[in-house]
Amino acid sequence: AQTVTQSQPEMSVQEAETVTLSCTYDTSESDYYLFWYKQPPSRQMILVIRQEAYKQQNATENRFSVNFQKAAKSFSLKISDSQLGDAAMYFCTLYNFNKFYFGSGTKLNVKP
Amino acid sequence: DAGVTQSPTHLIKTRGQQVTLRCSPKSGHDTVSWYQQALGQGPQFIFQYYEEEERQRGNFPDRFSGHQFPNYSSELNVNALLLGDSALYLCASTLWVLAKNIQYFGAGTRLSVL
Repeated sequence: AQTVTQSQPEMSVQEAETVTLSCTYDTSESDYYLFWYKQPPSRQMILVIRQEAYKQQNATENRFSVNFQKAAKSFSLKISDSQLGDAAMYFCTLYNFNKFYFGSGTKLNVKP
Repeated sequence: DAGVTQSPTHLIKTRGQQVTLRCSPKSGHDTVSWYQQALGQGPQFIFQYYEEEERQRGNFPDRFSGHQFPNYSSELNVNALLLGDSALYLCASTLWVLAKNIQYFGAGTRLSVL
C-alpha cells in the first residue's frame, strides 16, 4: 500500500525566515515521483516542486528546496525567505502506477 | 492558454439525487484524473481516464463513474448521493514531457449534499 504522512497539521513562520515541512511516505516501489503542492484559499492546487526517486540530487526551485532521503522514505520541504503569499495548505504527494497519493496537509501561516 | 477548467464551481444537491461534474483539461493534455477532497483533508484519488478509457481507479464505489470524450474533456457522475459525498471535487490533467509527468489542477467543484 502507498501512504503519505504529514505529521504537522499546522505551522507558523515569521516573514523572511525559513521553515521546513515534514513528510514521510511508504511504498514498495523503487520508481516513483514525489511532489509538494500548495493549495491557497482559492482552492487551486499549485505545483511547488517535484523529485524523481531515481535522482539523488535534491530538487530546488528558487526559494523552495527539498531534503529527499530515499532510504528513510522522507521528503521534507524547506521554504527560505518566507513571504506572505506562501501562506497556504501544503500537500506532500507520491506518484506511481498512474496514481497520486496525497498526505493530509500542513497549514502554513506566515506572520508579518 | 487556458488551464484546467471545471464546472460548475458550486453545486447543491439532496440525498439520492445524481450529479454530473465537468472538466476541460489543459490544451494538449490527454489524461484526466479526478479527486475527492473532504474538508480539512488531502485529495483522494477517484479514477483516471486516458484515451477515453478508465485506466486506474481508487477505492470508490460504483456510484462514482466517469467518461472521457474524444477532445479529452471528462465528466464525473455520482449516483444516489449520500451526505458523505459532500466535498471539493478536483480535476487534474497530465502531460508527459521527456519522461516527466506534469499535472495541473482545476479550481474544483464544491458539492454540498443536503
